[in-house]
Amino acid sequence: DTAVSQTPKYLVTQMGNDKSIKCEQNLGHDTMYWYKQDSKKFLKIMFSYNNKELIINETVPNRFSPKSPDKAHLNLHINSLELGDSAVYFCASSQAGGAEAFFGQGTRLTVV
Amino acid sequence: AQSVTQLGSHVSVSEGALVLLRCNYSSSVPPYLFWYVQYPNQGLQLLLKYTTGATLVKGINGFEAEFKKSETSFHLTKPSAHMSDAAEYFCAVSEGGSNYQLIWGAGTKLIIKP
Repeated sequence: DTAVSQTPKYLVTQMGNDKSIKCEQNLGHDTMYWYKQDSKKFLKIMFSYNNKELIINETVPNRFSPKSPDKAHLNLHINSLELGDSAVYFCASSQAGGAEAFFGQGTRLTVV
Repeated sequence: AQSVTQLGSHVSVSEGALVLLRCNYSSSVPPYLFWYVQYPNQGLQLLLKYTTGATLVKGINGFEAEFKKSETSFHLTKPSAHMSDAAEYFCAVSEGGSNYQLIWGAGTKLIIKP
């Protein structure tokens, strides 16, 4: 039973399209995150939600919009995709602020 | 402000040799410290963590790390490398409490030579 699951695992799309990545956690955690990992493996936090409330919103383009319908789900919607958006996106969750995070398997997004 | 420095973007060791991956941090309060491993095409998996108590922390797959406050370090070691240890390793720090953010190092790729 996967703790943090995200779909799809691979996503290939054309520039200008809109796409969504879904994430669900069954750990009962209060906090969920979206990270972007570039080709050099550098991890950058994009958003953090605690009990459905946005806590961290790092400098990312407005084209990226997180949605948290309940505390077990945090989806990422991306409008008008650009070549530079190509990366691996990870969803994660944690029990409390600063505690260890549990990661999903990642979504490899390729924009062509 | 918190920061994490991992010395060496690539570390290469022979199979059976000692593994040492270095992590230094800066934090204004006692930190929580973590090591994660990422195998190819997979998510990150927690190896070990330090929050309070014993400064030598044992993790999975034979890895351990020691918190040295005086050196602001949390280096990861394993006595004998195995081919299956080849992966990317990340050190992270947080201040715990209501801080919702882990601060990440840039990662170190561990290469195991046969």
